[in-house]
Amino acid sequence: DVKVTQSSRYLVKRTGEKVFLECVQDMDHENMFWYRQDPGLGLRLIYFSYDVKMKEKGDIPEGYSVSREKKERFSLILESASTNQTSMYLCASGGGRRSRNTIYFGEGSWLTVV
Amino acid sequence: AQKITQTQPGMFVQEKEAVTLDCTYDTSDPSYGLFWYKQPSSGEMIFLIYQGSYDQQNATEGRYSLNFQKARKSANLVISASQLGDSAMYFCAMREDNYGQNFVFGPGTRLSVLP
Repeated sequence: DVKVTQSSRYLVKRTGEKVFLECVQDMDHENMFWYRQDPGLGLRLIYFSYDVKMKEKGDIPEGYSVSREKKERFSLILESASTNQTSMYLCASGGGRRSRNTIYFGEGSWLTVV
Repeated sequence: AQKITQTQPGMFVQEKEAVTLDCTYDTSDPSYGLFWYKQPSSGEMIFLIYQGSYDQQNATEGRYSLNFQKARKSANLVISASQLGDSAMYFCAMREDNYGQNFVFGPGTRLSVLP
């Protein structure tokens, strides 16, 4: 089975703190994604990466950065957390152009910024 | 502009009945894929069904089928014989093949199955 593991399920951070959310996949996928999920808005893409050290901005990259030093690991960084970044964050991997392949999701990380 | 629209924030269906969840999409890419996911209250995202833009037939997977109307840009999910375990959020998503490889999601529909 494909496994996408997110390092933290629940986090509480203070405004201004630097936050790292880590994601590891075990299927040698080239593509990896970070989404945030908010009620009524669905999943919005923050960043995605299609190869090591490659990244593309999604729809809402402001306030976030990412790192992909190894193929299996994709990290989301909040440089200075703010209360409007309180959300659920979902990591995913897989897909591929013109393929039937779905993307596989981690369990999600619930971040609360106080 | 929204690329994926799901106009039903919430739906109710009686157990054992069929239900249709609406999804319309917007793209000028001739090659794309459409996906449906289920998210139960536990939060995991479960892949249900896929439809390619060049597929001639509507996709089916067990009790799930996708009513694909390309000219209308609609990809509705049909769940037959609803079960209590079908209560969840359902998301429609699209991957455009010539405009990157990311997946764009709709806002979701919350389905509640009544006993």
